[in-house]
Amino acid sequence: DQQVKQNSPSLSVQEGRISILNCDYTNSMFDYFLWYKKYPAEGPTFLISISSIKDKNEDGRFTVFLNKSAKHLSLHIVPSQPGDSAVYFCAARRGGSGAGSYQLTFGKGTKLSVIP
Amino acid sequence: EPEVTQTPSHQVTQMGQEVILRCVPISNHLYFYWYRQILGQKVEFLVSFYNNEISEKSEIFDDQFSVERPDGSNFTLKIRSTKLEDSAMYFCASSALQGRGELFFGEGSRLTVL
Repeated sequence: DQQVKQNSPSLSVQEGRISILNCDYTNSMFDYFLWYKKYPAEGPTFLISISSIKDKNEDGRFTVFLNKSAKHLSLHIVPSQPGDSAVYFCAARRGGSGAGSYQLTFGKGTKLSVIP
Repeated sequence: EPEVTQTPSHQVTQMGQEVILRCVPISNHLYFYWYRQILGQKVEFLVSFYNNEISEKSEIFDDQFSVERPDGSNFTLKIRSTKLEDSAMYFCASSALQGRGELFFGEGSRLTVL
């Protein structure tokens, strides 16, 4: 049951260009979305998040876009740097304080390679 | 910068043995979590813990699993009788808030069950 889907297992981008990582979700109860970055042998590191009441959130080189009607979000990295090479996970959380609101549901991840 | 620390980094055990994975969450955080990632698969939620009790658990978190906060700093995951399919990377996480706070993850404990 893939409630959060990252359909591209890998992505290669030239240094300086834009990286766009995509994520789709199926559960309409999700109302908060996060992107995590993971290097090998390390735990996921929080990057940026967005609430369902917004359609865009920006933090430096990272911007997350949310299209609720399409149940789609994307992470833009501009400009891409070699140090951005990692696995990027999209995650979602249900709203409120009841069942499902404590857990993050993760996608399978997209491995980004930024080529110098 | 405060961080979540986990021990051991790697544990190898025989099937049927008990395993305890340990975590020290960030000191002012109130919510604690265990997630796992089987090789090649996605990160999966196991359990969340708040106010000294389990607030939520997944279907994976069956009777073989338990969590405990034995003192003010440690948060442990116990697997009573390990199975081959328990082999995974186990991540501890903590957060200051529940609804909108991002989770801070530790570096993980790799469990290999033979």
